[in-house]
Amino acid sequence: DTAVSQTPKYLVTQMGNDKSIKCEQNLGHDTMYWYKQDSKKFLKIMFSYNNKELIINETVPNRFSPKSPDKAHLNLHINSLELGDSAVYFCASSTRGGSYEQYFGPGTRLTVT
Amino acid sequence: GNSVTQMEGPVTLSEEAFLTINCTYTATGYPSLFWYVQYPGEGLQLLLKATKADDKGSNKGFEATYRKETTSFHLEKGSVQVSDSAVYFCALSDGSTGNQFYFGTGTSLTVIP
Repeated sequence: DTAVSQTPKYLVTQMGNDKSIKCEQNLGHDTMYWYKQDSKKFLKIMFSYNNKELIINETVPNRFSPKSPDKAHLNLHINSLELGDSAVYFCASSTRGGSYEQYFGPGTRLTVT
Repeated sequence: GNSVTQMEGPVTLSEEAFLTINCTYTATGYPSLFWYVQYPGEGLQLLLKATKADDKGSNKGFEATYRKETTSFHLEKGSVQVSDSAVYFCALSDGSTGNQFYFGTGTSLTVIP
């Protein structure tokens, strides 16, 4: 059973396009996250949702918009893609509070040409 | 604020060598500390964790001890294998709203036969 899944695994698209990445977790967690990992493996938190409510919103362009239809899903929509958006995007989930570890999805490698 | 400083890589070791990857942190309050591992082409996986001072986390032959006096959480393994080749991330969570994690920059390890 896959705990945190993401689709698609690879996404190649042209500048200016709009794309979405989907994330689902079956762990019963109430908090989900999006991270961006650049080519040097640096991880940057982008967003966090708890029970469909946005609770972390780091400084990212407003072309990025997360959407959480329910607490098991957190999708990431990106408008007007730019070359600099090329990266690996990871979804993660955890329970809220305490020292609970985060569980990561396999990642979506986005390439903007 | 919270931050994690991690030993820069890349690190190259021969099989059966001793591994240390240094990690120090800055945090308000009493954070939990984690090591994650990322194998090529995969998402991050929790390797071990420690939730309070003097706790030792261990898994798959890896160990790390939460040292409050030196604000450190160094990762060690007595005898590395080729299969340990991966990127290792130190992280902390202060258990605040959203259970935000603070990741180090990652250390790439290559083990050669």
